[in-house]
Amino acid sequence: EVQLVQSGAEVKKPGESLKISCKGSGYRFTSKWIVWVRQMPGKGLEWMGSIYPGDSDTRYSPSFQGQVTISADKSISTAYLQWSNLKASDTAMYYCARCYDPLRGGDNCYWFDPWGQGTLVTVSS
Amino acid sequence: EIVLTQSPATLSLSPGERATLSCRASQSVSSYLAWYQQKPGQAPRLLIYDASNRATGIPARFSGRGSGTDFTLTISSLEPEDFAVYYCHQRGNWPSFTFGPGTKVDIK
Repeated sequence: EVQLVQSGAEVKKPGESLKISCKGSGYRFTSKWIVWVRQMPGKGLEWMGSIYPGDSDTRYSPSFQGQVTISADKSISTAYLQWSNLKASDTAMYYCARCYDPLRGGDNCYWFDPWGQGTLVTVSS
Repeated sequence: EIVLTQSPATLSLSPGERATLSCRASQSVSSYLAWYQQKPGQAPRLLIYDASNRATGIPARFSGRGSGTDFTLTISSLEPEDFAVYYCHQRGNWPSFTFGPGTKVDIK
């Protein structure tokens, strides 16, 4: 079974740093892109960025470029999302998902499936 | 950036009724459109990809159609577990992705 398991909920203060994780299993982690998606309280879904764990090729949404860092450690099949200076506006649920292409195959990144269970990040003084 | 618009924002229906959800793109995305379902407190789930293909394990009552800028998700007969929020998602210009704002299907 393909599965992504995320790290647990975090409560942080403004200005602190944070790194959350997403561990993949049940498939070849190095050959499929991983994406990160933000969902602010009561709001919709926003793509933040994507990483190819095989070579750490990383792409960011312009809205998140410079605000977060996406990385991966292929030796432990884990992707990361990190902040160096959290703000109250970073309070949200963060999801990782495998990005793949069931129609064309290979390492193409088209659709997000499955998703991790989500990591709730709360930033409050 | 390609913008997706979904309508209606909320759809109030009864179990057994047919649901028709719309997604419109600001420019052509060919058939590179997917639909996701999200229930309260859960992660989204892929339902339909490439406009009309059901994902693994998705019941046949879910169907998608469209191409270019206009897409539709149809639930032929609503089951109690189908009341949720539905998002469309485009992959028109790699590496950029955008989601629509969502349509909430609630119980009338």
